[in-house]
Amino acid sequence: AQKITQTQPGMFVQEKEAVTLDCTYDTSDPSYGLFWYKQPSSGEMIFLIYQGSYDQQNATEGRYSLNFQKARKSANLVISASQLGDSAMYFCAMREGFNFGNEKLTFGTGTRLTIIP
Amino acid sequence: DAGVTQSPTHLIKTRGQQVTLRCSPKSGHDTVSWYQQALGQGPQFIFQYYEEEERQRGNFPDRFSGHQFPNYSSELNVNALLLGDSALYLCASSPTGSNEQFFGPGTRLTVL
Repeated sequence: AQKITQTQPGMFVQEKEAVTLDCTYDTSDPSYGLFWYKQPSSGEMIFLIYQGSYDQQNATEGRYSLNFQKARKSANLVISASQLGDSAMYFCAMREGFNFGNEKLTFGTGTRLTIIP
Repeated sequence: DAGVTQSPTHLIKTRGQQVTLRCSPKSGHDTVSWYQQALGQGPQFIFQYYEEEERQRGNFPDRFSGHQFPNYSSELNVNALLLGDSALYLCASSPTGSNEQFFGPGTRLTVL
């Protein structure tokens, strides 16, 4: 089974609208972390937001928020007031376990977001 | 403060050759991870180095090897290149115990 599933290969959104990018995950480890990264055409992965499995509140970072639904194993990224510069690939990733020396990230296949002027 | 740097930016090799990719971590970061990203896919974890030792490894053959130097910089070596090794190779660094990994711009390897 896929550990990270992103079911939206591509999305088109009007500028200034909000957008939700879907991510579901699969793990039996009660301790895990969920990440979202943005990858522009230049190739560099840019960290956006992090949610730990024990965090009580949904993470927020500026225009980014993470809709964390633990029981449903989903960690959707919400971008408010989208901008043209938000056009990029977006990846959801997971780290299983918080043990020192176990920092491997498992990525999904990504969603290509295109913002339309 | 410089971020993670990688060299070279692009590389073209032929099947059977060997290649070395280089990574300098962000200042103060002692852990370096390498990922392979094939076209249209998410990055796949190759291995991670800490204190000059390989600490964790993904499902990659022994043709993929690495090294970390005392200044925390790292190399990724791939022997006997295959066409399927063509990909973007990403290096990520992090300080001890941190959740966040900072990625470099990557090296795009093309194997002909």
